[in-house]
Amino acid sequence: QLQLQESGPGLVKPSETLSLTCTVSGGSISSSSYYWGWIRQPPGKGLEWIGSIYYSGSTYYNPSLKSRVTISVDTSKNQFSLKLSSVTAADTAVYYCARHCGGYSQFDPWGQGTLVTVSS
Amino acid sequence: VIWMTQSPSLLSASTGDRVTISCRMSQGISSYLAWYQQKPGKAPELLIYAASTLQSGVPSRFSGSGSGTDFTLTISCLQSEDFATYYCQQYYSFPPSFGGGTKVEIK
Repeated sequence: QLQLQESGPGLVKPSETLSLTCTVSGGSISSSSYYWGWIRQPPGKGLEWIGSIYYSGSTYYNPSLKSRVTISVDTSKNQFSLKLSSVTAADTAVYYCARHCGGYSQFDPWGQGTLVTVSS
Repeated sequence: VIWMTQSPSLLSASTGDRVTISCRMSQGISSYLAWYQQKPGKAPELLIYAASTLQSGVPSRFSGSGSGTDFTLTISCLQSEDFATYYCQQYYSFPPSFGGGTKVEIK
């Protein structure tokens, strides 16, 4: 069964770059049917889609974050990664990775999530 | 951008109750809507997609309906494990977006 697992630093300083990796197991990230996305959830708040990537490297990002986001894929490691630059306290959130079909669709499954706190 | 209004934001109910949660769109999205359940400290889990298709493994007491701008998630007979927060998500237009959530709590 497909599983996703986020990893990366839990604490990032303001103005620095947040970097997370999602490792996919139980299936290939190179499947032609799927896209791989990042979603975040500030503590006590709702969900916000950040962006997604196809195994070929094609990406699309939420316009609200586009200037600061880079998503990349490493098919040899079955991983995809998120970089969010110039972070502020407003970027403190649980970050999830998830799979979805096609350009836009429902997200399933999700990783367990990782809390990233932006603080000096 | 599609604006989503999910209501109520808080719902108090008892085990065995029938509950309904609404998700209203600022413009029509056909049936491109999903519902998720999230328990504290856990990732959201997909319940329903395409407005009314039950995800594999999800109990049949969950159902979804609607199309266009108005959608409903119904839990026919609330169980103890159903107390959680529920989110709708539209994937008709870019960017995909989520409703604000409905917390179902014990009355």
